[in-house]
Amino acid sequence: SQQGEEDPQALSIQEGENATMNCSYKTSINNLQWYRQNSGRGLVHLILIRSNEREKHSGRLRVTLDTSKKSSSLLITASRAADTASYFCATDTGRRALTFGSGTRLQVQP
Amino acid sequence: DTAVSQTPKYLVTQMGNDKSIKCEQNLGHDTMYWYKQDSKKFLKIMFSYNNKELIINETVPNRFSPKSPDKAHLNLHINSLELGDSAVYFCASSQDRGGGTDTQYFGPGTRLTVL
Repeated sequence: SQQGEEDPQALSIQEGENATMNCSYKTSINNLQWYRQNSGRGLVHLILIRSNEREKHSGRLRVTLDTSKKSSSLLITASRAADTASYFCATDTGRRALTFGSGTRLQVQP
Repeated sequence: DTAVSQTPKYLVTQMGNDKSIKCEQNLGHDTMYWYKQDSKKFLKIMFSYNNKELIINETVPNRFSPKSPDKAHLNLHINSLELGDSAVYFCASSQDRGGGTDTQYFGPGTRLTVL
């Protein structure tokens, strides 16, 4: 299986609710990154958290990292219809490229 | 002022043909990448180049040949196209620091359909 695996694969919520996505990985990392992909578009970087950090915030985004459990979570608070997209975690394991998971498809209903 | 651009956006071709996808970045980054995204949205690294030097060549058939004429360009040439090559190909770039892989900036993707 892949280095990064997101859970759930798909998530449907109402506008205003919070959305939480989880990512698990297998090997040690330098950093973990979250990206967003709108349908038919390229990936856009959201946030990077380094292996010595436990939590990071950016606007309505909150990312946590637990290196002992090899897992990370992305929380989007007060979701909007415009947040509808696929979200990917990606790990930097020192091999000069990121390893991506298969993503979580988030649908925010207006 | 597009950061990472790819051409073409769509490519429809017959099996056995040879095609190229071009990528350019104007961010001054040292490292460029090619990723393949399959129908299940799984994104996999194919190649990475740092200052025109090949760094990563994942188990990609040698029908795929990347070419980096300068550090702002990384083109992908595919020979003898097969049905299984149908996918979306993304170019990306990053400014790596200290050997780590920092934020990557992605192009809009090229949707390749092999008939």
